[in-house]
Amino acid sequence: NAGVTQTPKFRILKIGQSMTLQCTQDMNHNYMYWYRQDPGMGLKLIYYSVGAGITDKGEVPNGYNVSRSTTEDFPLRLELAAPSQTSVYFCASRRGTSGPDEQFFGPGTRLTVL
Amino acid sequence: AQSVTQPDIHITVSEGASLELRCNYSYGATPYLFWYVQSPGQGLQLLLKYFSGDTLVQGIKGFEAEFKRSQSSFNLRKPSVHWSDAAEYFCAGRGSQGNLIFGKGTKLSVKP
Repeated sequence: NAGVTQTPKFRILKIGQSMTLQCTQDMNHNYMYWYRQDPGMGLKLIYYSVGAGITDKGEVPNGYNVSRSTTEDFPLRLELAAPSQTSVYFCASRRGTSGPDEQFFGPGTRLTVL
Repeated sequence: AQSVTQPDIHITVSEGASLELRCNYSYGATPYLFWYVQSPGQGLQLLLKYFSGDTLVQGIKGFEAEFKRSQSSFNLRKPSVHWSDAAEYFCAGRGSQGNLIFGKGTKLSVKP
């Protein structure tokens, strides 16, 4: 049971390039989330999904896109990378019951845009 | 709007001393509250969580937290800090979409 996995661990992009951050969970969780972490700012929600085929914007969605074609995968797409997207990106998942279920985090992707 | 505040950016304690990290929340109703720890270059690990019931919550690694509705607080405590506790600690509350709303974090340094 790997939990939540993310690839790549590190990436350097040039301004204007695009890339996809991969996220996979093997816990059959319905809910998945993408956060970005900037120094001294905590984590902020970029996008989330409540199930395959259903996604919605979070607090800071500009410059990003997501898709959820399967329960397991929730990739985050960066188009036209900008220096402001330099950050650490975390994917997370939870089962999505009405009760107190825990959110599980991946190890993160550290992205630098130069 | 829902929010979580951690007033202390950086705290230094001596090894063996007690620790209290502050967290305040602003929610319309009793929130689901969490404390996470992040070691340098690592992901987030859940220390403990509060949903209802007993206001003193026990977590992993000897941590506990107390929910105080009257003070809108959920402070994290540990009676004796170890050098391995040096890390960044995040308080979070559950948002309307099941996401987490994080405080800005408190970095803990431990003096030998």
